[in-house]
Amino acid sequence: EVHLLESGGGLVQPGGSLRLACVASGFTFVDYAMDWVRQPPGKGLEWVSTISYRGEDYAGSVQGRFTISRDNSKNTVYLQMNSLRADDTAVYYCAKGLTLLDSWGQGILVTVSS
Amino acid sequence: DVLMTQTPLSLSVTPGQPASISCRSSQSLLHSDGKTFLSWYLQRPGQPPHLLIYEVSKRFSGVPDRFGGSGSGTDFTLKISRVEAEDVGIYYCMQNIHFPRTFGPGTTVDFK
Repeated sequence: EVHLLESGGGLVQPGGSLRLACVASGFTFVDYAMDWVRQPPGKGLEWVSTISYRGEDYAGSVQGRFTISRDNSKNTVYLQMNSLRADDTAVYYCAKGLTLLDSWGQGILVTVSS
Repeated sequence: DVLMTQTPLSLSVTPGQPASISCRSSQSLLHSDGKTFLSWYLQRPGQPPHLLIYEVSKRFSGVPDRFGGSGSGTDFTLKISRVEAEDVGIYYCMQNIHFPRTFGPGTTVDFK
């Protein structure tokens, strides 16, 4: 069974940084693209980033501020978030896949506020 | 960016009755390999989203056969043949061919 577990969320001041991690199990991690998707409070889903054979892709709203990476030896994908803004406040989900997102984590809340 | 639209944005249904959600993309989702990368997700209250349908009409593992997807190019439909209590939530379509990936705004399905 696929399991994705996010960590690293919390409260951060505007302009600050945070690194999210997502530990995966139940599948051959190195063989799959991994994604981050976020959901602001009370709003819809917004794709953030994907790491795949293509390299790294980003939403325009986070390009230059967020960096996705992975450590295949640890079955972990990361999202380094810098220069955080209030509108980055959201639940961040880790998801598996490239042409479909077939598994999702439970999500982790990131709150950007002074 | 590919704009995804959904209609209706809200749907009140009677248990046991059918329901239908439309999704439209501003660009074709047809890949050169012949596949069309449109997927549907359901987010139940308080839960993360989960995959229902991928490549327009393929049901993901464990998804009941009352869920069906159809469409091509830029116009797609999710149909539920008989809505059950566990089907309440927000349905999102997503295009998985162009970057940045984009979701539709979501359709909230609840019971009358």
